[in-house]
Amino acid sequence: AQSVTQLGSHVSVSEGALVLLRCNYSSSVPPYLFWYVQYPNQGLQLLLKYTTGATLVKGINGFEAEFKKSETSFHLTKPSAHMSDAAEYFCAVSDHGYDKLIFGTGTRLQVFP
Amino acid sequence: DAGVIQSPRHEVTEMGQEVTLRCKPISGHDYLFWYRQTMMRGLELLIYFNNNVPIDDSGMPEDRFSAKMPNASFSTLKIQPSEPRDSAVYFCASRPLRGYNEQFFGPGTRLTVL
Repeated sequence: AQSVTQLGSHVSVSEGALVLLRCNYSSSVPPYLFWYVQYPNQGLQLLLKYTTGATLVKGINGFEAEFKKSETSFHLTKPSAHMSDAAEYFCAVSDHGYDKLIFGTGTRLQVFP
Repeated sequence: DAGVIQSPRHEVTEMGQEVTLRCKPISGHDYLFWYRQTMMRGLELLIYFNNNVPIDDSGMPEDRFSAKMPNASFSTLKIQPSEPRDSAVYFCASRPLRGYNEQFFGPGTRLTVL
C-alpha cells in the first residue's frame, strides 16, 4: 500500500538559509510524486511534481525536489528562504492507474527574519 | 480559466442544523474529490467521484454526511444534522482523466458549528 512520511511537522529557518523538507514514500513501483503548498486560509497549490524522466524537478518560487528511488525519498529544497515561503507543505504520492493522491501529514515552515 | 469554485467560503451554524457545501470543478475535469482538514486529523479524503459517479466514500465519517454530483459541473456535500466536531475546512479538488493525477484544489469552506 502507498504511504507518505514527512519527517518534522515543524521546520524553522532564518531568512536566506537553506530550506529542506523531507518526504519518504512507500510504493511498489516508481510513483508520481508531488509537493503542494498551502498558504494561510488558502487551498493547496501545486509546487512541483515528478512523473518520469529527470529526477531533479524544479517548481515555482525557486523550489526543487529530487526523486531518489534507492532512498524512496522526494525531499524539497530551496537554497535561500524568503519570508513569503512561510506556509504548510504537503508531500503526496500516487501510483500509475490509481485515482487518489496519498498525502503526508504536512510540514509547517516558519521563516524568521 | 476559472479554478475550482467553492461556496460559501465561510459558514457558521448551530448544532443540529443542515449544512450544504457546494463545489464547481474545473470544466472538463472528470474526477472530483472532497477533503476535510482539521488540526487534529490533518487532511482527510471523504469521497471522490469519477464522471459524476461516487467511487469511494469510505472516508465519509458517518451517515450524517452525504455527497452528490448531479452533473459534471456541480457537487454538494451535506451534513445533517451538524455537530461541533464537524467544524473544519472542507476542500473540493478536481482533475482530468488523463495526466499524472495532479489535483487542483478550491479555496475551501471554513465551517464552524456552534
